[in-house]
Amino acid sequence: GAVVSQHPSRVICKSGTSVKIECRSLDFQATTMFWYRQFPKQSLMLMATSNEGSKATYEQGVEKDKFLINHASLTLSTLTVTSAHPEDSSFYICSARDNRASAGELFFGEGSRLTVL
Amino acid sequence: AQSVTQLGSHVSVSEGALVLLRCNYSSSVPPYLFWYVQYPNQGLQLLLKYTTGATLVKGINGFEAEFKKSETSFHLTKPSAHMSDAAEYFCAVSDQTGANNLFFGTGTRLTVIP
Repeated sequence: GAVVSQHPSRVICKSGTSVKIECRSLDFQATTMFWYRQFPKQSLMLMATSNEGSKATYEQGVEKDKFLINHASLTLSTLTVTSAHPEDSSFYICSARDNRASAGELFFGEGSRLTVL
Repeated sequence: AQSVTQLGSHVSVSEGALVLLRCNYSSSVPPYLFWYVQYPNQGLQLLLKYTTGATLVKGINGFEAEFKKSETSFHLTKPSAHMSDAAEYFCAVSDQTGANNLFFGTGTRLTVIP
Protein backbone atom coordinates (compact mmCIF):
# COMPACT_ATOMS: atom_id res chain seq x y z
CA GLY A 1 0.00 0.00 0.00
CA ALA A 2 0.89 3.65 -0.21
CA VAL A 3 3.42 4.86 2.33
CA VAL A 4 3.77 8.28 3.87
CA SER A 5 6.84 9.01 5.94
CA GLN A 6 7.27 11.82 8.45
CA HIS A 7 10.55 13.04 9.83
CA PRO A 8 11.51 13.56 12.55
CA SER A 9 9.29 11.34 14.66
CA ARG A 10 10.32 13.20 17.79
CA VAL A 11 11.91 16.60 18.25
CA ILE A 12 12.73 18.68 21.27
CA CYS A 13 13.61 22.33 20.85
CA LYS A 14 14.06 25.47 22.87
CA SER A 15 11.53 28.28 22.96
CA GLY A 16 12.05 30.77 20.17
CA THR A 17 13.62 28.36 17.72
CA SER A 18 12.08 27.01 14.53
CA VAL A 19 11.43 23.38 13.73
CA LYS A 20 10.81 21.79 10.34
CA ILE A 21 8.81 18.60 9.90
CA GLU A 22 8.86 16.74 6.61
CA CYS A 23 6.10 14.66 5.08
CA ARG A 24 6.99 12.45 2.13
CA SER A 25 4.90 10.18 -0.03
CA LEU A 26 7.32 7.36 -0.79
CA ASP A 27 5.65 5.44 -3.58
CA PHE A 28 3.06 7.77 -5.02
CA GLN A 29 2.58 11.37 -6.03
CA ALA A 30 0.40 13.65 -3.99
CA THR A 31 -0.79 17.01 -5.23
CA THR A 32 -2.62 17.46 -1.95
CA MET A 33 -1.36 16.83 1.54
CA PHE A 34 -2.92 17.72 4.87
CA TRP A 35 -1.41 18.75 8.19
CA TYR A 36 -3.11 17.99 11.47
CA ARG A 37 -2.46 18.66 15.10
CA GLN A 38 -3.53 16.24 17.75
CA PHE A 39 -3.77 17.08 21.43
CA PRO A 40 -3.59 14.31 24.04
CA LYS A 41 -6.59 12.02 23.95
CA GLN A 42 -8.29 14.12 21.30
CA SER A 43 -9.10 13.84 17.65
CA LEU A 44 -7.14 15.28 14.75
CA MET A 45 -7.53 18.97 14.12
CA LEU A 46 -6.96 19.97 10.52
CA MET A 47 -4.48 22.83 10.38
CA ALA A 48 -4.03 23.33 6.66
CA THR A 49 -4.29 21.84 3.22
CA SER A 50 -1.01 21.79 1.36
CA ASN A 51 -1.17 22.08 -2.43
CA GLU A 52 1.82 21.40 -4.64
CA GLY A 53 3.00 24.52 -6.38
CA SER A 54 0.62 26.89 -4.65
CA LYS A 55 -0.07 28.40 -1.28
CA ALA A 56 -1.47 26.31 1.50
CA THR A 57 -5.03 26.79 2.65
CA TYR A 58 -5.21 27.33 6.39
CA GLU A 59 -8.11 26.53 8.66
CA GLN A 60 -9.69 29.27 10.70
CA GLY A 61 -7.67 30.12 13.76
CA VAL A 62 -4.38 28.69 12.47
CA GLU A 63 -1.63 31.30 12.18
CA LYS A 64 -0.10 31.24 8.71
CA ASP A 65 3.07 33.01 9.79
CA LYS A 66 3.63 30.63 12.65
CA PHE A 67 2.99 27.40 10.79
CA LEU A 68 4.71 27.73 7.45
CA ILE A 69 3.82 25.10 4.88
CA ASN A 70 5.73 24.43 1.71
CA HIS A 71 4.75 21.83 -0.88
CA ALA A 72 7.56 22.12 -3.38
CA SER A 73 7.20 18.77 -5.09
CA LEU A 74 4.61 16.06 -5.62
CA THR A 75 6.21 13.92 -2.92
CA LEU A 76 7.20 16.39 -0.22
CA SER A 77 5.43 18.85 2.03
CA THR A 78 7.08 20.57 4.99
CA LEU A 79 5.64 22.21 8.08
CA THR A 80 7.85 24.73 9.86
CA VAL A 81 6.84 25.82 13.33
CA THR A 82 8.44 29.23 13.70
CA SER A 83 9.44 30.83 16.98
CA ALA A 84 8.15 27.83 18.84
CA HIS A 85 6.61 28.17 22.29
CA PRO A 86 5.71 25.51 24.85
CA GLU A 87 2.05 25.74 23.84
CA ASP A 88 3.07 24.53 20.37
CA SER A 89 4.08 21.20 21.89
CA SER A 90 1.86 18.63 20.27
CA PHE A 91 1.63 15.64 17.96
CA TYR A 92 1.65 16.72 14.32
CA ILE A 93 0.42 14.33 11.65
CA CYS A 94 0.40 14.65 7.90
CA SER A 95 -1.65 12.80 5.34
CA ALA A 96 -1.55 12.57 1.58
CA ARG A 97 -3.94 11.65 -1.16
CA ASP A 98 -2.64 9.47 -3.97
CA ASN A 99 -3.20 11.32 -7.25
CA ARG A 100 -4.27 8.05 -8.84
CA ALA A 101 -6.91 7.25 -6.24
CA SER A 102 -10.51 8.30 -6.66
CA ALA A 103 -12.02 6.96 -3.48
CA GLY A 104 -10.95 9.72 -1.13
CA GLU A 105 -8.69 7.60 1.04
CA LEU A 106 -5.88 9.40 2.82
CA PHE A 107 -2.58 7.84 3.79
CA PHE A 108 -1.10 9.02 7.06
CA GLY A 109 2.41 9.58 8.26
CA GLU A 110 3.62 8.19 11.56
CA GLY A 111 3.33 11.54 13.27
CA SER A 112 5.90 13.88 14.78
CA ARG A 113 5.90 14.70 18.46
CA LEU A 114 7.16 18.21 19.13
CA THR A 115 8.21 19.25 22.61
CA VAL A 116 9.13 22.87 23.15
CA LEU A 117 11.08 23.59 26.32
CA ALA B 1 -21.34 20.02 5.22
CA GLN B 2 -20.19 16.79 6.77
CA SER B 3 -19.61 15.63 10.30
CA VAL B 4 -19.15 12.48 12.32
CA THR B 5 -20.32 11.59 15.80
CA GLN B 6 -18.74 8.75 17.72
CA LEU B 7 -20.80 7.71 20.71
CA GLY B 8 -18.67 6.68 23.63
CA SER B 9 -15.21 8.13 24.00
CA HIS B 10 -14.14 5.02 25.86
CA VAL B 11 -15.25 1.42 25.39
CA SER B 12 -14.07 -1.54 27.44
CA VAL B 13 -14.61 -5.15 26.47
CA SER B 14 -13.31 -8.45 27.73
CA GLU B 15 -10.92 -10.44 25.59
CA GLY B 16 -13.00 -12.63 23.27
CA ALA B 17 -16.10 -10.47 23.56
CA LEU B 18 -17.83 -8.59 20.78
CA VAL B 19 -16.47 -5.18 19.89
CA LEU B 20 -18.97 -2.52 18.81
CA LEU B 21 -17.84 1.04 18.16
CA ARG B 22 -20.55 3.44 17.07
CA CYS B 23 -20.36 6.05 14.35
CA ASN B 24 -23.08 8.25 12.95
CA TYR B 25 -22.48 10.67 10.15
CA SER B 26 -24.10 13.71 8.64
CA SER B 27 -23.62 14.48 4.98
CA SER B 28 -25.56 16.44 2.40
CA VAL B 29 -24.10 14.28 -0.36
CA PRO B 30 -23.46 10.54 -0.67
CA PRO B 31 -20.54 9.91 1.64
CA TYR B 32 -17.38 7.92 1.66
CA LEU B 33 -16.87 6.47 5.14
CA PHE B 34 -13.72 5.26 6.84
CA TRP B 35 -12.50 3.71 10.05
CA TYR B 36 -8.92 4.33 11.12
CA VAL B 37 -6.98 2.91 14.07
CA GLN B 38 -4.24 4.74 15.94
CA TYR B 39 -1.76 3.10 18.27
CA PRO B 40 0.11 5.26 20.81
CA ASN B 41 2.50 7.75 19.26
CA GLN B 42 1.73 6.58 15.76
CA GLY B 43 -0.17 7.84 12.76
CA LEU B 44 -3.47 6.48 11.55
CA GLN B 45 -3.90 3.16 9.79
CA LEU B 46 -6.89 2.46 7.59
CA LEU B 47 -9.05 -0.39 8.87
CA LEU B 48 -11.73 -0.29 6.21
CA LYS B 49 -13.70 2.01 3.98
CA TYR B 50 -17.07 2.25 2.31
CA THR B 51 -17.31 3.94 -1.06
CA THR B 52 -20.03 2.30 -3.13
CA GLY B 53 -21.53 -1.14 -3.59
CA ALA B 54 -21.86 -3.68 -0.81
CA THR B 55 -22.87 -2.02 2.43
CA LEU B 56 -21.10 -4.56 4.64
CA VAL B 57 -17.41 -3.85 4.43
CA LYS B 58 -14.70 -6.14 5.73
CA GLY B 59 -11.38 -4.75 6.80
CA ILE B 60 -8.12 -5.80 8.32
CA ASN B 61 -7.67 -7.60 11.63
CA GLY B 62 -11.16 -9.12 11.52
CA PHE B 63 -13.05 -5.84 11.68
CA GLU B 64 -16.09 -5.03 9.63
CA ALA B 65 -18.59 -2.20 9.34
CA GLU B 66 -22.01 -1.81 7.83
CA PHE B 67 -23.21 1.31 6.05
CA LYS B 68 -26.83 1.95 6.93
CA LYS B 69 -28.13 4.92 5.02
CA SER B 70 -31.49 4.94 6.78
CA GLU B 71 -29.76 5.22 10.13
CA THR B 72 -26.85 7.37 8.86
CA SER B 73 -24.58 4.95 10.68
CA PHE B 74 -21.32 3.11 10.03
CA HIS B 75 -20.69 1.11 13.19
CA LEU B 76 -17.49 -0.92 13.52
CA THR B 77 -17.63 -4.47 14.85
CA LYS B 78 -15.39 -7.41 15.56
CA PRO B 79 -16.77 -10.73 16.81
CA SER B 80 -13.99 -11.47 19.27
CA ALA B 81 -11.71 -8.87 20.82
CA HIS B 82 -7.99 -9.47 21.07
CA MET B 83 -5.59 -7.72 23.40
CA SER B 84 -3.83 -6.22 20.39
CA ASP B 85 -7.04 -4.41 19.42
CA ALA B 86 -6.56 -1.93 22.26
CA ALA B 87 -6.12 1.42 20.52
CA GLU B 88 -7.88 4.61 19.50
CA TYR B 89 -10.40 4.31 16.68
CA PHE B 90 -11.54 7.14 14.47
CA CYS B 91 -14.50 7.24 12.13
CA ALA B 92 -14.25 9.66 9.22
CA VAL B 93 -16.38 10.90 6.34
CA SER B 94 -15.63 12.62 3.07
CA ASP B 95 -17.62 13.49 0.03
CA GLN B 96 -17.40 11.55 -3.18
CA THR B 97 -15.48 14.14 -5.14
CA GLY B 98 -12.37 12.71 -3.60
CA ALA B 99 -10.94 16.18 -3.46
CA ASN B 100 -11.65 17.11 0.07
CA ASN B 101 -10.33 16.39 3.47
CA LEU B 102 -11.70 13.78 5.80
CA PHE B 103 -13.83 14.90 8.70
CA PHE B 104 -12.99 12.90 11.80
CA GLY B 105 -15.01 11.94 14.81
CA THR B 106 -13.62 12.55 18.26
CA GLY B 107 -12.36 9.01 18.54
CA THR B 108 -13.13 6.02 20.76
CA ARG B 109 -10.51 4.47 22.96
CA LEU B 110 -10.93 0.70 23.09
CA THR B 111 -9.64 -1.13 26.15
CA VAL B 112 -9.50 -4.92 26.13
CA ILE B 113 -9.62 -6.57 29.51
CA PRO B 114 -7.79 -9.88 29.86
